[in-house]
Amino acid sequence: DQQVKQNSPSLSVQEGRISILNCDYTNSMFDYFLWYKKYPAEGPTFLISISSIKDKNEDGRFTVFLNKSAKHLSLHIVPSQPGDSAVYFCAAEGSGGSNYKLTFGKGTLLTVNP
Amino acid sequence: GAVVSQHPSWVICKSGTSVKIECRSLDFQATTMFWYRQFPKQSLMLMATSNEGSKATYEQGVEKDKFLINHASLTLSTLTVTSAHPEDSSFYICSARETGGVVGNQPQHFGDGTRLSIL
Repeated sequence: DQQVKQNSPSLSVQEGRISILNCDYTNSMFDYFLWYKKYPAEGPTFLISISSIKDKNEDGRFTVFLNKSAKHLSLHIVPSQPGDSAVYFCAAEGSGGSNYKLTFGKGTLLTVNP
Repeated sequence: GAVVSQHPSWVICKSGTSVKIECRSLDFQATTMFWYRQFPKQSLMLMATSNEGSKATYEQGVEKDKFLINHASLTLSTLTVTSAHPEDSSFYICSARETGGVVGNQPQHFGDGTRLSIL
């Protein structure tokens, strides 16, 4: 049972335009959401996160939106740059205590064309 | 920013060999580290949670005797793949979450991974 879903395996965008990456989750106990960027044969790099008490978090060109009622979050990259081309993973963390395990989606390959 | 160092980055060895992978948090303390495995074109699958000073917590289906985890200090966790076989070949990645009095949500920071190839 996949608790974090990224339904688009790939996305292609023109340089300078907006990239929108989507993620859905099923577990209502998730309360912290993260986006990671990953290149082949490297570990994921943390990009941006959002707590369930917020609906938007912005950091430079990256903005994450959270819609709790729909159990949906999205990552917006604007303007997109060729260097943004990578696999983007959405991840979710359960509620508190000593359990900080992350559940990952399967990733979306973003290609930004010059 | 928080840096996690993982070593070695690539290992090729014969079947039956044991391989140790190190994961270090370089500029922060981490009472909890995590070990993941990634198959080609798949997501990251959590193998175990490494707790400083106590036993690791393994996910269902992960053999604790096969994948030995030691978290002896606040900045170092090791994963030893014992008597490795070709089916253990994979990309192993560790992560660490900053602790030590930090309040609130904290992201996990990942090492660069170890490519393990068993011949």
